[in-house]
Amino acid sequence: EPEVTQTPSHQVTQMGQEVILRCVPISNHLYFYWYRQILGQKVEFLVSFYNNEISEKSEIFDDQFSVERPDGSNFTLKIRSTKLEDSAMYFCASRTGVFYGYTFGSGTRLTVV
Amino acid sequence: LAKTTQPISMDSYEGQEVNITCSHNNIATNDYITWYQQFPSQGPRFIIQGYKTKVTNEVASLFIPADRKSSTLSLPRVSLSDTAVYYCLVGDPYNQGGKLIFGQGTELSVKP
Repeated sequence: EPEVTQTPSHQVTQMGQEVILRCVPISNHLYFYWYRQILGQKVEFLVSFYNNEISEKSEIFDDQFSVERPDGSNFTLKIRSTKLEDSAMYFCASRTGVFYGYTFGSGTRLTVV
Repeated sequence: LAKTTQPISMDSYEGQEVNITCSHNNIATNDYITWYQQFPSQGPRFIIQGYKTKVTNEVASLFIPADRKSSTLSLPRVSLSDTAVYYCLVGDPYNQGGKLIFGQGTELSVKP
């Protein structure tokens, strides 16, 4: 079964540092997403990406966040200057079309110290 | 986006059928109902999606009454490995962003 691959699985960074979370979506998928889940809380939408541009973003996705699909296979989330409250599990997801379910990756656990 | 209400937790035993009901009184005409499953420290996994009546796949069945104000996810003969959080989501798949709005979900605990 095709998978969405995320790397690294766990990243520890110091407050104020930049981090890049990487994702390889399923190859024939067209819609890409980032979600996050703070420990013990709900899964929260961050951003959706289609046709090489952001379709929608949440209030969480402020100027510190950016996404990129640099080479047609990778999909990255960058946090420019991390804060303690950015500590969470970050999930990448993709889907092939609007009537299809998402496939989520296993996540990157980001710990900001 | 339609708000959903589902039980916070449910307990079951291996081999039983489990039905999790979700209420979505404000569902819109274009909204579909989708269920996801999440194990600890893993991403949510798509289970099933429907618009009306009944949908069945190899994992579950989804029952949607005519008024569409609620839906029921049915898991036949659960096993210990079905212990997870189950989310009911309602939304318009044609929405350009296609974002999913997760609630707290139902924490299902399957006991031996």
